[in-house]
Amino acid sequence: AQTVTQSQPEMSVQEAETVTLSCTYDTSESDYYLFWYKQPPSRQMILVIRQEAYKQQNATENRFSVNFQKAAKSFSLKISDSQLGDAAMYFCAYRSRNNAGNMLTFGGGTRLMVKP
Amino acid sequence: EPEVTQTPSHQVTQMGQEVILRCVPISNHLYFYWYRQILGQKVEFLVSFYNNEISEKSEIFDDQFSVERPDGSNFTLKIRSTKLEDSAMYFCASRLLGDATEAFFGQGTRLTVV
Repeated sequence: AQTVTQSQPEMSVQEAETVTLSCTYDTSESDYYLFWYKQPPSRQMILVIRQEAYKQQNATENRFSVNFQKAAKSFSLKISDSQLGDAAMYFCAYRSRNNAGNMLTFGGGTRLMVKP
Repeated sequence: EPEVTQTPSHQVTQMGQEVILRCVPISNHLYFYWYRQILGQKVEFLVSFYNNEISEKSEIFDDQFSVERPDGSNFTLKIRSTKLEDSAMYFCASRLLGDATEAFFGQGTRLTVV
């Protein structure tokens, strides 16, 4: 079974600064997807960014980018020019391409606080 | 923008009672999921549903749980006899066919068992 670990329960960043959230995972599979989801106080999970394991190029979405290190099984999220609206819980998630349900396995989450 | 909707947003129930949580997935989506998040803990997979049957379920999804897509639009999670430890946030999600597609989540139903 796959596991996802987020070692930082809380992180803090000054508005306009850059912050990196860490995620590691354990799998024996070679083909899978990795995701970062944001959960604001409203509780709805919102997709931030996605990475396909077969792609070497790191995914980027505006101010959000990832550092995907497949050999190290590491998938960190970098948020540039942090904004107050970025304050939320961030969850790293893994999805296999090989199981029937293709469900997400989540890490424990990192609470990001943004200071004005 | 289409979204997954869940009702109710908060449900309080007595221990031992049956509860049904409702979800309306995005209309052209074909995979449906239930996840739960106990307060302060990680989001956990419960069940996935495709082509009118369960495609995968976790150890949490025991005989007390069932899912149904009764009318082609709603997707429900039933807990037959609620326990205190069923208190959690329950999230419904859906996605399109194709393994590269992302899951869209509803806003969740907070279930409190007293």
